[in-house]
Amino acid sequence: EIVLTQSPGTLSLSPGERATLSCRASQSVSSSYLAWYQQKPGQAPRLLIYGASSRATGIPDRFSGSGSGTDFTLTISRLEPEDFAVFYCQHFGGSLTFGGGTKLEIK
Amino acid sequence: EVQLVQSGAEVKKPGESLKISCKGSGYSFTSYWIGWVRQMSGKGLEWMGIIYPGDSDTRYSPSFQGQVTISADKSISTAYLQWSSLKASDTAMYYCARLTGGNSPYYFDNWGQGTLVTVSS
Repeated sequence: EIVLTQSPGTLSLSPGERATLSCRASQSVSSSYLAWYQQKPGQAPRLLIYGASSRATGIPDRFSGSGSGTDFTLTISRLEPEDFAVFYCQHFGGSLTFGGGTKLEIK
Repeated sequence: EVQLVQSGAEVKKPGESLKISCKGSGYSFTSYWIGWVRQMSGKGLEWMGIIYPGDSDTRYSPSFQGQVTISADKSISTAYLQWSSLKASDTAMYYCARLTGGNSPYYFDNWGQGTLVTVSS
């Protein structure tokens, strides 16, 4: 079973800064099957990125995804106040798995 | 507009049974897998299983196999998650979500609002 490890656990940044979130897989995975979600308190998760780098409908272009093999990255180019939340990566290759999450908090 | 509407919050006692629901609308319910995801308070997302309402093909996470039952009634576009004997450790928020991604669906593009299940004596 593939394990996704996200880092850092918590990231403290200010609005306007650049955020880089990491998702590492325990073995090489197809980038076609890697997605990212954002979850705000009291809300359901929201799809941000699928296929490692394709933005979901309505997602601002300050969000971007990249990576391949075992290392994937979610980048938020310039943080807006509404971006602070918890982010999860997810893969489906026979079994579906989520990473443990990265909390992005306001510094 | 694609919508997944879940049943309301439940408070149950240990040992009781429970069935929660997820009604889809705005798309062909029988053509997409529906998944269930658990989130315990303050914790991350855990995949429980998926069902294809078109033929009721069901896959479970090894962590939840035998602990829950996932089903669907395509005539009313509704998926279900049920327990035969609840435990206090089943207390959590449960989300349903639509799995998509073309010929090899792999990500959840639409989510229900969640159903909070509380199990307490």
